Amino acid sequence: GDSVTQMEGPVTLSEEAFLTINCTYTATGYPSLFWYVQYPGEGLQLLLKATKADDKGSNKGFEATYRKETTSFHLEKGSVQVSDSAVYFCALINAGGTSYGKLTFGQGTILTVHP
Amino acid sequence: DTAVSQTPKYLVTQMGNDKSIKCEQNLGHDTMYWYKQDSKKFLKIMFSYNNKELIINETVPNRFSPKSPDKAHLNLHINSLELGDSAVYFCASGARGATSTDTQYFGPGTRLTVL
Repeated sequence: GDSVTQMEGPVTLSEEAFLTINCTYTATGYPSLFWYVQYPGEGLQLLLKATKADDKGSNKGFEATYRKETTSFHLEKGSVQVSDSAVYFCALINAGGTSYGKLTFGQGTILTVHP
Repeated sequence: DTAVSQTPKYLVTQMGNDKSIKCEQNLGHDTMYWYKQDSKKFLKIMFSYNNKELIINETVPNRFSPKSPDKAHLNLHINSLELGDSAVYFCASGARGATSTDTQYFGPGTRLTVL
């Protein structure tokens, strides 16, 4: 079945540091890929997405590129802020088969940014 | 204007009780989902309804019974609550079919604690 693997956390950075959170996936067909963010005490918000190979999703300074050859969708940000502290989830939707649009999530990566 | 709302936000109850969580969306979507987030933040799909029809039913004990009275509402009833049911339950909605963008919008979550 489909699966998503994220780098182990937690990740602790100083403000203005460079961020990378690795994400790789296993899926049949051509899934859409997502990064969701969960701020403390809140629900999930879509951060960015990419629906086909080589697409780059971007939002709020975060970027991720859909790499089919390496089955990866790594999240990057050039300069993190304290307000970026949250849990980040990589996820996919596989349009084929009987998935019916269910999101398959990675295990989440806790990011803490210190001033 | 809240897009996806859930009630209650917190639910504390004794083992063996029966409880319900309600979800409503005002986005005009035709598909709604229930996800469970465990204590390690891992998220997993439980159920999905499309136009009031159950389309996803993952391996969930039959003590959990979803009900969708209309496209805008999806409720979750849980019988004979057990300690292991303690988790955060998220409702989400999305559009499928010709207007699908694959993006799902999440509610704020219901934190269920079974004592």
